[in-house]
Amino acid sequence: KQEVTQIPAALSVPEGENLVLNCSFTDSAIYNLQWFRQDPGKGLTSLLLIQSSQREQTSGRLNASLDKSSGRSTLYIAASQPGDSATYLCAVRHGDNYGQNFVFGPGTRLSVLP
Amino acid sequence: NAGVTQTPKFRILKIGQSMTLQCTQDMNHNYMYWYRQDPGMGLKLIYYSVGAGITDKGEVPNGYNVSRSTTEDFPLRLELAAPSQTSVYFCASSSGLAHNEQFFGPGTRLTVL
Repeated sequence: KQEVTQIPAALSVPEGENLVLNCSFTDSAIYNLQWFRQDPGKGLTSLLLIQSSQREQTSGRLNASLDKSSGRSTLYIAASQPGDSATYLCAVRHGDNYGQNFVFGPGTRLSVLP
Repeated sequence: NAGVTQTPKFRILKIGQSMTLQCTQDMNHNYMYWYRQDPGMGLKLIYYSVGAGITDKGEVPNGYNVSRSTTEDFPLRLELAAPSQTSVYFCASSSGLAHNEQFFGPGTRLTVL
């Protein structure tokens, strides 16, 4: 069974710092991995989608990498801002008996202090 | 495009009551999903559908039912609400192609007292 973990569970950094969020998964047979942002009381906003054949994706100050063989992905946020404060979730799209469905990690709650 | 819409945003139910959570998407996606999110936890899949008339159970289907009569709509039914169903419910959709992403609705916050 695919399991996804995220470390750390919470992170607090001063504004301007570069930071890395980690996502690990147990089964490397994935189609893709998606990083989401969730603001308090809101739905999920897609940040980056990495296909299983790709090593990384970039969008603005965000860079996500994928190492399928080791079951790891990282989300790098450059020059963090208070507006980046949110919970960040990763999800792997896994082709098992449930079809092509996502398995989510529990999230990392990020606070960027002014 | 409105994307994925959900109603209601909030609801309080008494134990044993029933209700339907509505979900609609206007992206002509074949795949639709219902998840629940409990505090500090990731999302868990309740039910999913790969097209009109086709539904299947996810990881936590007990206490819920779904139907998919059209491509656009995917309602989730709670028949006998229990306190364990207090959660935030998210509906999502995707085109179904392996490389495509999921799009999420804003969620419904349900409390069962």
